[in-house]
Amino acid sequence: DTEVTQTPKHLVMGMTNKKSLKCEQHMGHRAMYWYKQKAKKPPELMFVYSYEKLSINESVPSRFSPECPNSSLLNLHLHALQPEDSALYLCASSHPVRGRDQPQHFGDGTRLSIL
Amino acid sequence: QKEVEQDPGPLSVPEGAIVSLNCTYSNSAFQYFMWYRQYSRKGPELLMYTYSSGNKEDGRFTAQVDKSSKYISLFIRDSQPSDSATYLCAMRRETGGFKTIFGAGTRLFVKA
Repeated sequence: DTEVTQTPKHLVMGMTNKKSLKCEQHMGHRAMYWYKQKAKKPPELMFVYSYEKLSINESVPSRFSPECPNSSLLNLHLHALQPEDSALYLCASSHPVRGRDQPQHFGDGTRLSIL
Repeated sequence: QKEVEQDPGPLSVPEGAIVSLNCTYSNSAFQYFMWYRQYSRKGPELLMYTYSSGNKEDGRFTAQVDKSSKYISLFIRDSQPSDSATYLCAMRRETGGFKTIFGAGTRLFVKA
């Protein structure tokens, strides 16, 4: 079992639905990430939060809206998604050290299917 | 040219073989090098983490970094069917925030 917990494991939604993905870690990490992974491809970075502030947005469409309510939680709010958004959405966390970061630890992801 | 090149395979070996997985990169600023293992329908699991050049060993796994050649390797000794997975190399600069660059991943099959 990973120390980064993601819920739900699977999600099927229509293009007009609104849903949220949740990620939780209790390792004391202060950097949290959202990645998107398509089949047989490496993870693609979407967002990074550092100390609960949005640090990186990789030009992600506004139909994806991240939120970091506290140091342990990370949400990804979804609205009006397209079929091409179907993918595995991975959350990761790491411990930022002054000047550099420690390696990221991943959750098992949410498999999202858009109908 | 991609910053990180990794042969996607698949690579098929018999049980007990020594497996060699490799990545090359073009950015000399990379200082942190990782190997992740990803099973089907699971998230990437950190296997090895090294800084700068040198070797690191952990059980059956050995990671090597040759910065002069911009080449990193992961060796798996006495491979087992349970090692069948996709192996992703990843690297990051000394400074420059949180971005990690991943290789394409190599699919490994270990036959019993």
